[in-house]
Amino acid sequence: EIVLTQSPGTLSLSPGERATLSCRASQSVSSSFLAWYQQKPGQAPRLLIYGASSRATGIPDRFSGSGSGTDFTLTISRLEPEDFAVYYCQQYVISPPWMFGQGTKVEIK
Amino acid sequence: EVQLVESGGGLVQPGGSLRLSCAASGFTFSSYEMNWVRQAPGKGLEWISYISTSGTSIYYADSVKGRFTISRDNAKNSLYLQMNSLSAEDTAVYYCASARYCSGGKCYIGVADYWGQGTLVTVSS
Repeated sequence: EIVLTQSPGTLSLSPGERATLSCRASQSVSSSFLAWYQQKPGQAPRLLIYGASSRATGIPDRFSGSGSGTDFTLTISRLEPEDFAVYYCQQYVISPPWMFGQGTKVEIK
Repeated sequence: EVQLVESGGGLVQPGGSLRLSCAASGFTFSSYEMNWVRQAPGKGLEWISYISTSGTSIYYADSVKGRFTISRDNAKNSLYLQMNSLSAEDTAVYYCASARYCSGGKCYIGVADYWGQGTLVTVSS
């Protein structure tokens, strides 16, 4: 199974700053079958990015995904107050198990 | 409006059983593969089970294999999770989520687009 490791665990930033979140896979994620989700306290996760770099419907263009193979990045170009949350990467290669990373918390500095 | 509504959570003693349900509306449930994902208090997301549209293909995480059973009833637009031999480690919010995302005429199996609000399962004596 593919294990995903996210870093850093916590990112302390101010509104307007750029956030760069990393997701590293234990083996190559073929065809960039990688997604990113946002979760706010008390809420279900929300799909942000699929296919490593494609934004889901309704996701603002300040969110972007990049990477391939074993190294992937989620970038939030300018943090808005509503972007402070926990972010998870997930691989969905061919068949389950479809692991999530352990999450990166983006908190207000 | 797409809705996934979980029910059936609650307090159960160690070794006990519980059956979760997820009622789907606002989309063609029978055309969507489905997942169960859980989240222990203060912890991250854990994928635990998948079922194909027809129910013929099923997968489980090692942590629940042999104890949990996923099923669906497309006529009732419902997804289920039968949980047996529960332990404290199974305490979590359980989410049902779709396992298909379609865009630009292409569909991606495994991407969770629709999520329920979750139901809390607490295993304690």
